[in-house]
Amino acid sequence: GEDVEQSLFLSVREGDSSVINCTYTDSSSTYLYWYKQEPGAGLQLLTYIFSNMDMKQDQRLTVLLNKKDKHLSLRIADTQTGDSAIYFCAERSNTGKLIFGQGTTLQVKP
Amino acid sequence: DAGVIQSPRHEVTEMGQEVTLRCKPISGHNSLFWYRQTMMRGLELLIYFNNNVPIDDSGMPEDRFSAKMPNASFSTLKIQPSEPRDSAVYFCASRPRGWDYGYTFGSGTRLTVV
Repeated sequence: GEDVEQSLFLSVREGDSSVINCTYTDSSSTYLYWYKQEPGAGLQLLTYIFSNMDMKQDQRLTVLLNKKDKHLSLRIADTQTGDSAIYFCAERSNTGKLIFGQGTTLQVKP
Repeated sequence: DAGVIQSPRHEVTEMGQEVTLRCKPISGHNSLFWYRQTMMRGLELLIYFNNNVPIDDSGMPEDRFSAKMPNASFSTLKIQPSEPRDSAVYFCASRPRGWDYGYTFGSGTRLTVV
């Protein structure tokens, strides 16, 4: 079946790197995504990676994909207080719908 | 582009009342999704439409929930009768045909049933 798992909470100090991890079960997933949700807001697409890639970098964000282990990670370099939010990992099922993890709350301490 | 527009932003209603949530997708997007977010269950897909046709409603909790998409620019999610356990944030999202680069979400409707 389709399932996406994330750790629930991560706390880092401002300026450090944050690494948020995710595992998924559907090996046929073609795209995987990271979304960010700030308090009281909807989900905002941060980045995505195609399943034939193992890394994607976009400014401070680096996505790593280990397809063999079905493991996805999001690294945020030089984490800022404005990065405090809930981060969701999602996989695209073969029916086209997105399956989301439970979300990881990132707390950035000054 | 105004994005995905949901209304109302907040709704407080009494148990047993009918609640209607509204969504206007981005113009040109032909897929629309309704999600529910709670602390206990996270983000759950309730139903989605392609070209105004419901494709998968397996996430709709029970018969009290119904969704319609009468045209490409409008969708409703109705709960009748509402119950306290329906309290959640309901999100609408849309994407264009063949677009695999994620959905665009609305800001959500926070529903409280007392």
